[in-house]
Amino acid sequence: DAGVIQSPRHEVTEMGQEVTLRCKPISGHNSLFWYRQTMMRGLELLIYFNNNVPIDDSGMPEDRFSAKMPNASFSTLKIQPSEPRDSAVYFCASSPPVGGSYNEQFFGPGTRLTVL
Amino acid sequence: AQKVTQAQTEISVVEKEDVTLDCVYETRDTTYYLFWYKQPPSGELVFLIRRNSFDEQNEISGRYSWNFQKSTSSFNFTITASQVVDSAVYFCAACSGGGADGLTFGKGTHLIIQP
Repeated sequence: DAGVIQSPRHEVTEMGQEVTLRCKPISGHNSLFWYRQTMMRGLELLIYFNNNVPIDDSGMPEDRFSAKMPNASFSTLKIQPSEPRDSAVYFCASSPPVGGSYNEQFFGPGTRLTVL
Repeated sequence: AQKVTQAQTEISVVEKEDVTLDCVYETRDTTYYLFWYKQPPSGELVFLIRRNSFDEQNEISGRYSWNFQKSTSSFNFTITASQVVDSAVYFCAACSGGGADGLTFGKGTHLIIQP
């Protein structure tokens, strides 16, 4: 079975450019999460969706960041314009419908973003 | 909201020693979930265990064991007879009840197992 798929795996861009990160959740999962990992701040939740609807975007750092989930099988995280401090590993995770108890989040391999 | 504290930034032990990774959490929720994840040098996040706030039973899985104590708000992780392959960053995380909330992670503990 395919796990969470993220693309690209590595992205190097220059300051000011637009960056789009992509995520395909596991089929049948209805919750999707975007996390960012940096040395300074560790792993932090940016935004999450339930049934394609954004539930909590309080972790999105600035208006330069936006996320969409147009359908159950695809989500994007966009940074426009990018800045060097956005350099990080961005993880996408998905989880199945809740069935009486919390369900495990399955993480993708991450996208390593470097903004020069 | 939750807060997770992993006070040990880095631990280095010699292979075959036992090692305990500490995790202290803060939450106002009565229903919450606690997790441990492993991040090996390759970078992926590997799920190890989930515990809910109503289940204080300790758990053992092979060389791994977890001690959950609500009285001290701790969820510690012990590796018995450590191996070089256990070298990784270990994260403790928490989320509130509800089932589809995001995780709050601790800063992680870098565990180094020396041969």
